[in-house]
Amino acid sequence: NAGVMQNPRHLVRRRGQEARLRCSPMKGHSHVYWYRQLPEEGLKFMVYLQKENIIDESGMPKERFSAEFPKEGPSILRIQQVVRGDSAAYFCASSFEPRLRYGYTFGSGTRLTVV
Amino acid sequence: AQTVTQSQPEMSVQEAETVTLSCTYDTSENNYYLFWYKQPPSRQMILVIRQEAYKQQNATENRFSVNFQKAAKSFSLKISDSQLGDTAMYFCAFTNTGNQFYFGTGTSLTVIP
Repeated sequence: NAGVMQNPRHLVRRRGQEARLRCSPMKGHSHVYWYRQLPEEGLKFMVYLQKENIIDESGMPKERFSAEFPKEGPSILRIQQVVRGDSAAYFCASSFEPRLRYGYTFGSGTRLTVV
Repeated sequence: AQTVTQSQPEMSVQEAETVTLSCTYDTSENNYYLFWYKQPPSRQMILVIRQEAYKQQNATENRFSVNFQKAAKSFSLKISDSQLGDTAMYFCAFTNTGNQFYFGTGTSLTVIP
C-alpha cells in the first residue's frame, strides 16, 4: 500500500511561469490537505479538499493559487505566474476521515524553486 | 487563535543519552489533539507520537514519551537512548479537529556519536 505520492520532488520555474504540483493520496483516503513550508518555518495550512470539493481554502493566497481534487486522478496545486516568494516546500497529506484525531499521512513534498 | 511555540531552534545530544524538546501552545478549546512529527533530511514528515487532551496519561511509543501539562499548555517530547537515526527536525503540532493542523517552527536535533 503506497503512501502519499507527490511529484515532482523538485521543480524549478522561472518567474512568471506556472507550477503544477501533484498529489496522490493513500489508498482509501478521500481527504487531501496542502501545506507550505517556507525556509526556517513550520508547515502552514493552505487548503483542504475532498473529492471534487474544496472544503476549506482559508490558508490559500487569494491570487495565483488554486487547487483541485477531481473524481479521477491526483490532487493538483497550481501556482500561476510564480514569484521568488513562492519558493518553498509544498506538502500534501491525506486522511481517511475529516476529523484529524489520528494525524495525517504526509507525502515527501515538492520543493519549488523560482529563479 | 491557535498558536504553537517551540523555543529551542537547535539541540544536540550524545548517542544513548536522553533529550527533551519543548513545546507550548495556546488555545481556548477544551478538546484537542497534540502531535510530534519528525522530519529527517529526506523531508518526509513522520508521525512520532500523539496525545489526546482529554487523557491525563502521557503517551508513550517505545523510546519516545511526552510530558503533557494541560493547565500549563505544555507538551514536551522526551527521547530516551538517543540514536543516530533520531537526527532530524522535530515539529510539535496541534489540532482541535477542525480542518487543519497548527505547527511550531521546529527544533533541529543532532545526535552526536
